[in-house]
Amino acid sequence: SQQGEEDPQALSIQEGENATMNCSYKTSINNLQWYRQNSGRGLVHLILIRSNEREKHSGRLRVTLDTSKKSSSLLITASRAADTASYFCATDEDDYKLSFGAGTTVTVRA
Amino acid sequence: EPEVTQTPSHQVTQMGQEVILRCVPISNHLYFYWYRQILGQKVEFLVSFYNNEISEKSEIFDDQFSVERPDGSNFTLKIRSTKLEDSAMYFCASRVTGLSSYEQYFGPGTRLTVT
Repeated sequence: SQQGEEDPQALSIQEGENATMNCSYKTSINNLQWYRQNSGRGLVHLILIRSNEREKHSGRLRVTLDTSKKSSSLLITASRAADTASYFCATDEDDYKLSFGAGTTVTVRA
Repeated sequence: EPEVTQTPSHQVTQMGQEVILRCVPISNHLYFYWYRQILGQKVEFLVSFYNNEISEKSEIFDDQFSVERPDGSNFTLKIRSTKLEDSAMYFCASRVTGLSSYEQYFGPGTRLTVT
């Protein structure tokens, strides 16, 4: 089943600004994870938020989860050029697999 | 920090040939996965593996695909007779079992090009 869908598809911001992207999903989940992918490279795990959590922080990242709306947001504060990448949410319905969205491509301009 | 490794980083093969993609998961992890990403598209789940057997597989994972854990460290994906549409980035992932930790850690991927 198709799960996470990110919004917007692309985002261009100035260095130092905040970047916010959203993810919506369709079915009940155990947790939701955010990953970063630099162009043509592997997936780097950023943060996991469990279904009973509402907000989580990790460094410059802030993730929220609203299970009633089946949505999550990822905020990157004080963005840097190195944050330029694609960001994916992935939902975990069971132990066996993650379902990924199409991703948000973030470009941070120096 | 422990990480998932994959070899080769890039594999070029002719249509109809067999390929084996290799992965070394993080050593204390017990759940293993293969995903693929066709250029410009979503990451798609292929198969999960636990306790030496397939836990779940997607529709993509047909009879041309197989997985194996030949020893205590390697986890392989074999494509028996490659097609042009198998060209993609293939990612291996692993996860430690247990209720408190569900992060899946991904390897850097193998770019498979079928000509």
